[in-house]
Amino acid sequence: EVQLVQSGAEVKKPGESLKISCQGSGYTFTSYWIGWVRQMPGKGLEWMGIVYPGDSDTRYSPSFQGQVTISADKSINTAYLQWSSVKASDTAIYYCARLTGSAIRGRFDYWGQGTLVTVSS
Amino acid sequence: QSVLTQPPSVSAAPGQKVTISCSGSSSNIGNNSVSWFQKLPGTAPKLLIYDSNKRPSGIPDRFSGSKSGTSASLGITGLQTGDEADYYCGTWDSSLTAGLFGGGTKLTVL
Repeated sequence: EVQLVQSGAEVKKPGESLKISCQGSGYTFTSYWIGWVRQMPGKGLEWMGIVYPGDSDTRYSPSFQGQVTISADKSINTAYLQWSSVKASDTAIYYCARLTGSAIRGRFDYWGQGTLVTVSS
Repeated sequence: QSVLTQPPSVSAAPGQKVTISCSGSSSNIGNNSVSWFQKLPGTAPKLLIYDSNKRPSGIPDRFSGSKSGTSASLGITGLQTGDEADYYCGTWDSSLTAGLFGGGTKLTVL
């Protein structure tokens, strides 16, 4: 069974660093892109970027380029989303999802449960 | 403002049919496959339609997808109260070289 299990909720102060994770199981982790999707409170889904754990190739949405870093550690089947300095506007639920089909143009077929990130002073 | 345009809300009575539209351009819907997702409060999005008109295993045939030119549509027949959710279209944008989601449509089953 394919599963993506995300790390738990985080509460951070503005300016702090943060790294959340997404561990895959039940499939060959290195053969599928993993993406990150943001949902801010009361808002829609936003495509942030993707990473290919096989070679750590990454692609970012222009809206998120330079704002976050997406990475993967294939030795432990885990993808990451990190911030060097969070802002209040980073408060959101972040989902990871597996991309399948036409490589980077594929669809998200399996999703993690979401990680709530709250940034408040 | 999303690059992919969806109506903010649609509504219909139980048992009826509803269609949700997603309008884009040649750089996204016009030249790439479209996916549709159902988002219930407090749960992760769920893939309903991929490659514009295919259903993953386990998705009932009440859900259907179509695409024409730079627009796509999700159809839901035999509406049930459990279908009340937010629905999102998604695709790749060849100009942005990134994925996109529509702004989402809230379905109310009256």
